[in-house]
Amino acid sequence: GENVEQHPSTLSVQEGDSAVIKCTYSDSASNYFPWYKQELGKGPQLIIDIRSNVGEKKDQRIAVTLNKTAKHFSLHITETQPEDSAVYFCAASKGGGADGLTFGKGTHLIIQP
Amino acid sequence: DADVTQTPRNRITKTGKRIMLECSQTKGHDRMYWYRQDPGLGLQLIYYSFDVKDINKGEISDGYSVSRQAQAKFSLSLESAIPNQTALYFCATSGPGGNTQYFGPGTRLTVL
Repeated sequence: GENVEQHPSTLSVQEGDSAVIKCTYSDSASNYFPWYKQELGKGPQLIIDIRSNVGEKKDQRIAVTLNKTAKHFSLHITETQPEDSAVYFCAASKGGGADGLTFGKGTHLIIQP
Repeated sequence: DADVTQTPRNRITKTGKRIMLECSQTKGHDRMYWYRQDPGLGLQLIYYSFDVKDINKGEISDGYSVSRQAQAKFSLSLESAIPNQTALYFCATSGPGGNTQYFGPGTRLTVL
């Protein structure tokens, strides 16, 4: 089955700096790669996703890049703010997410004031 | 997301007990999912359902069963709970084609 590796497990950045979280996947048939943000005591919430026919996608301060050849994708957050502090999960799926997602282990992002 | 509700939010039970976790959604989605989250780990898929007649096992279905009572309701059961089933359980839904999954607030289950 699919295996998703995520790094780093903890990332501390100064407010206003950029943060990058990286994931690799094992199944070349995977075609859908979402990123979720989980705040304390809440369920994960989708923040951005990308499909295998696209190399990069941006939404305001958040961007995701995908390298299908290397089987890795990354989340980029620019101009970090205190409210960006949370746990972030990457995931992968073969069926566009319809038959469930395989998640990475998560990155605890800490924004230092 | 308030459109996906889970009950109970917290539950403490004993080894060997049967327990049911319930999920309801008002989003009108056909697809529903149950995931388990352990500390320091990501979410792992337990079961998923495309409609009331279509139930599928996920990667960690052993020790669990599910019931899709209606389009809006998807329940997870532990027939005989054991301590290593102590975890945070999430229900999720998605619309046609999969794509975005909307998660409930989670149920924290402790098995003593």
